Amino acid sequence: GAGVSQSPSNKVTEKGKDVELRCDPISGHTALYWYRQSLGQGLEFLIYFQGNSAPDKSGLPSDRFSAERTGGSVSTLTIQRTQQEDSAVYLCASSVLRGEGKAFFGQGTRLTVV
Amino acid sequence: GQQVMQIPQYQHVQEGEDFTTYCNSSTTLSNIQWYKQRPGGHPVFLIQLVKSGEVKKQKRLTFQFGEAKKNSSLHITATQTTDVGTYFCAEGGYKLSFGAGTTVTVRA
Repeated sequence: GAGVSQSPSNKVTEKGKDVELRCDPISGHTALYWYRQSLGQGLEFLIYFQGNSAPDKSGLPSDRFSAERTGGSVSTLTIQRTQQEDSAVYLCASSVLRGEGKAFFGQGTRLTVV
Repeated sequence: GQQVMQIPQYQHVQEGEDFTTYCNSSTTLSNIQWYKQRPGGHPVFLIQLVKSGEVKKQKRLTFQFGEAKKNSSLHITATQTTDVGTYFCAEGGYKLSFGAGTTVTVRA
């Protein structure tokens, strides 16, 4: 596609349920990032994939959060046993080069845990 | 890891006035990027600065990278209502680490 695609755009889930958020980066981009943005707040780094290297998971807030990137392309962020504090916009971004080139963001997935 | 600090957190500007927002780091930065996020939108890349003392201009926006590569600034002249949004700086080099942003509102 022409840009970074995220799905779903909105997700409402009950507390305790698991959710999967999907990111389809720009073709050929080797770097992929996940960020979380709470209302009116900045971008909280979650995880970073670079090519075939082991991902940098240092930003994941708990072991309920995990992410994978299959075939160096599509990425899925999974949140298990969701809590109300997980409610936020989850943004995915990709870039050609790690940290050196401009990052293109998707529209985000707005997650609401009720 | 390294952190970039942005000031001010909020900037209320009269339309037509100029303002500057700053991005500071305690350590040398490989490069600095600036993004703009409109209300309800996602961050959009504005510029990347790599060289010490680099200055780049985009119409009414002027971006500067400090000589020591530890700070950067964004200066907007003759602010317009279209400038409303949050401006983030991000440290590049390994992964993109964002500052907390400066949220700009404009009084017409």
